[in-house]
Amino acid sequence: DTAVSQTPKYLVTQMGNDKSIKCEQNLGHDTMYWYKQDSKKFLKIMFSYNNKELIINETVPNRFSPKSPDKAHLNLHINSLELGDSAVYFCASSGFGAASYEQYFGPGTRLTVT
Amino acid sequence: GENVEQHPSTLSVQEGDSAVIKCTYSDSASNYFPWYKQELGKRPQLIIDIRSNVGEKKDQRIAVTLNKTAKHFSLHITETQPEDSAVYFCAASRGKNSGGSNYKLTFGKGTLLTVNP
Repeated sequence: DTAVSQTPKYLVTQMGNDKSIKCEQNLGHDTMYWYKQDSKKFLKIMFSYNNKELIINETVPNRFSPKSPDKAHLNLHINSLELGDSAVYFCASSGFGAASYEQYFGPGTRLTVT
Repeated sequence: GENVEQHPSTLSVQEGDSAVIKCTYSDSASNYFPWYKQELGKRPQLIIDIRSNVGEKKDQRIAVTLNKTAKHFSLHITETQPEDSAVYFCAASRGKNSGGSNYKLTFGKGTLLTVNP
């Protein structure tokens, strides 16, 4: 009954590799997000999709490319990984109407680049 | 864009005492202010939120107050328990129905709350 799920939970890879993180929500929400939490615990938004349309694209390197095949899924692909990409990446989603403000987070993917 | 400042960065209290965490924001168009609790190695979890049309909201031992004029809001936890120990984040958003950077949550840098038994 997990509301927002992410895979993988841990990802260890070498510099220069390309990797993907997947996110799925079963809440029927129409908006999904990617956040990055760095080693100092600072949470910062990267992207947001509403009904498969990109609506927020913060100053993130072009090596990061989100893809939303449908409203329930938002994936994050990262090319040419760098040491500074090491962080925890959280997916989140939010819904409609009065509940549209509330964002629910997935369990996170801890990415370690060596 | 929005800037959210959060204080203190660490807070240590004795079990049973109250804890207060304060945040200020810069964007006068922000109208939604959630608080998240993040335990070590876990996801941020929404614990309470407030919208700009109210000044205070309570849920059992936690309460949030909002002063729109001064652009600050606070989290109050009463009768703290060891399980309240976590990092707490405040955030601000314009919400979905405002123009510009709607949907986007801007977070404070977090407060590590430690409740000593």
